[in-house]
Amino acid sequence: DAGVTQSPTHLIKTRGQQVTLRCSPKSGHDTVSWYQQALGQGPQFIFQYYEEEERQRGNFPDRFSGHQFPNYSSELNVNALLLGDSALYLCASSLAAEQYFGPGTRLTVT
Amino acid sequence: QKEVEQNSGPLSVPEGAIASLNCTYSDRVSQSFFWYRQYSGKSPELIMSIYSNGDKEDGRFTAQLNKASQYVSLLIRDSQPSDSATYLCAVNMRAGGFKTIFGAGTRLFVKA
Repeated sequence: DAGVTQSPTHLIKTRGQQVTLRCSPKSGHDTVSWYQQALGQGPQFIFQYYEEEERQRGNFPDRFSGHQFPNYSSELNVNALLLGDSALYLCASSLAAEQYFGPGTRLTVT
Repeated sequence: QKEVEQNSGPLSVPEGAIASLNCTYSDRVSQSFFWYRQYSGKSPELIMSIYSNGDKEDGRFTAQLNKASQYVSLLIRDSQPSDSATYLCAVNMRAGGFKTIFGAGTRLFVKA
């Protein structure tokens, strides 16, 4: 049973560029949440997708947007990248309350 | 007041001892509580979930919940060096729906 997968593993971008991160949920899960984790901090909730709709959003600017596809996979898009967007981006999938994380995408903005 | 608070540590315990990790939360109507373990450079791994007051045991791990005190804890018995990691407390909070808020984590070192 495949767990949550994310791509790419690592990414280096320049300030002002745009980035798209991808996530495939664990088999049987229909909900995907995205988190940003800075070094030494806990994951910060970005948003959650369910039935292809954004169900809940954290305190992140509109530069952060997402999408969920009919097969429950999801994308996170970040526009106009800032140096402060450098972090580990985590995707978590769930069917009920328990969330299971993917390995993450390490984004470095230079 | 932070929504979910944990001591950042580091907490250092000798091998074989009990490690006690604590977490407090601000939203009284929170219903779901989780402990994740995160090794350096890796993603968080769910190790315990608890939904009602009292204790829940799973192997060497025991989660304790006290909703009246807005307090949740994790006990690790017979601590092993492989338990050395950051432990994240997470709470499902009602905020125009429910979203999961994580604490900053407690670093645990188990000395051999």
